[in-house]
Amino acid sequence: SQQGEEDPQALSIQEGENATMNCSYKTSINNLQWYRQNSGRGLVHLILIRSNEREKHSGRLRVTLDTSKKSSSLLITASRAADTASYFCATDVNNQGGKLIFGQGTELSVKP
Amino acid sequence: EPEVTQTPSHQVTQMGQEVILRCVPISNHLYFYWYRQILGQKVEFLVSFYNNEISEKSEIFDDQFSVERPDGSNFTLKIRSTKLEDSAMYFCASSDWDRHYGYTFGSGTRLTVV
Repeated sequence: SQQGEEDPQALSIQEGENATMNCSYKTSINNLQWYRQNSGRGLVHLILIRSNEREKHSGRLRVTLDTSKKSSSLLITASRAADTASYFCATDVNNQGGKLIFGQGTELSVKP
Repeated sequence: EPEVTQTPSHQVTQMGQEVILRCVPISNHLYFYWYRQILGQKVEFLVSFYNNEISEKSEIFDDQFSVERPDGSNFTLKIRSTKLEDSAMYFCASSDWDRHYGYTFGSGTRLTVV
């Protein structure tokens, strides 16, 4: 698998349900970030978790990081139709000048 | 909230022409980046820029690409002789010195080469 691979590729849920997206990576990282992209639009930074952190919360978002398994998960609680978007994890790789490696993304659809 | 501004939002150019994509990063950020996203594909790193020089570049960033910070506020990406496969959304981003708060991306320039 490639650096920064998300699963599932697509997720469809009902409003009010929780959405969980996973990301795996291969190399040592400074941090891992999650971004959101509405169709054809720019990337919006959601949350950053450093390599020495295990869990982080921001509003309805919860991110976990397991560096031993080189994996992360993003949980969106009590989802809303407005959460419909593509979600990407991106790894800030050690000694790479700030280069972010993005995964293919998870396309989340929240039905009202 | 501070924003990264990109212009133009859309650009159509003929194959072989030169294009310059412009970006105004966040004023107190020190790292600047260009990424691109071909339709339906993942976001790809092109180049990072710090202290007026390139700090990292990808294999995509070949001799037809160049970046410049011509003054204290703008950051530009030049594609010298565009090819059809350069058609993509190009994103500029900036970050603070230790990337503590992540990156701020602009809304992108959609480049179409015909």
